[in-house]
Amino acid sequence: SQQGEEDPQALSIQEGENATMNCSYKTSINNLQWYRQNSGRGLVHLILIRSNEREKHSGRLRVTLDTSKKSSSLLITASRAADTASYFCATALTYGGSQGNLIFGKGTKLSVKP
Amino acid sequence: DAGVTQSPTHLIKTRGQQVTLRCSPKSGHDTVSWYQQALGQGPQFIFQYYEEEERQRGNFPDRFSGHQFPNYSSELNVNALLLGDSALYLCASSLNLGAYNEQFFGPGTRLTVL
Repeated sequence: SQQGEEDPQALSIQEGENATMNCSYKTSINNLQWYRQNSGRGLVHLILIRSNEREKHSGRLRVTLDTSKKSSSLLITASRAADTASYFCATALTYGGSQGNLIFGKGTKLSVKP
Repeated sequence: DAGVTQSPTHLIKTRGQQVTLRCSPKSGHDTVSWYQQALGQGPQFIFQYYEEEERQRGNFPDRFSGHQFPNYSSELNVNALLLGDSALYLCASSLNLGAYNEQFFGPGTRLTVL
């Protein structure tokens, strides 16, 4: 079963607009990571936010984490056509190498129109 | 610095056959995880290998097995293939001593079972 659930399932915007995707999860986590996937190929790691962090920035990406609500959001500012992809949140339950697996949601499919 | 590589890119098999997929981790990484991604879904954890042993396993039958070699590369074997095994198989590598288990994914192997 999948712990995370992204919302919305699909999002279509115009180039230059901001895109916001949300992720909810069920259990306590060590960290939460966001990945991008183009056309069913490999996943590209975007950003990792630790459970004791509330907000993190990387270029045009802004991630927030609310552990009390068990939710996270990914904001992409000034979107570009090249941002068209599926975006997944993934939760890691425990600390360090022994944690093993990431638990993924079903993803948000973002389409950015030129 | 080579990232995670996987082979083959695509594979077509028939029901009942066996398949072996291969993965070479990112340079310096010692831990390999395998994920199965069905169409329209997020990746699901199959198992993780560290020090040539299976360290964690997801909810997959014994038909799925793996191996890790002394050079940290890994294989995923699936026996008695079913139609439902058709999916994108993703390999991810990480560093066991890494505090937050940032995983780097390969491009995947697309398996089609007819």
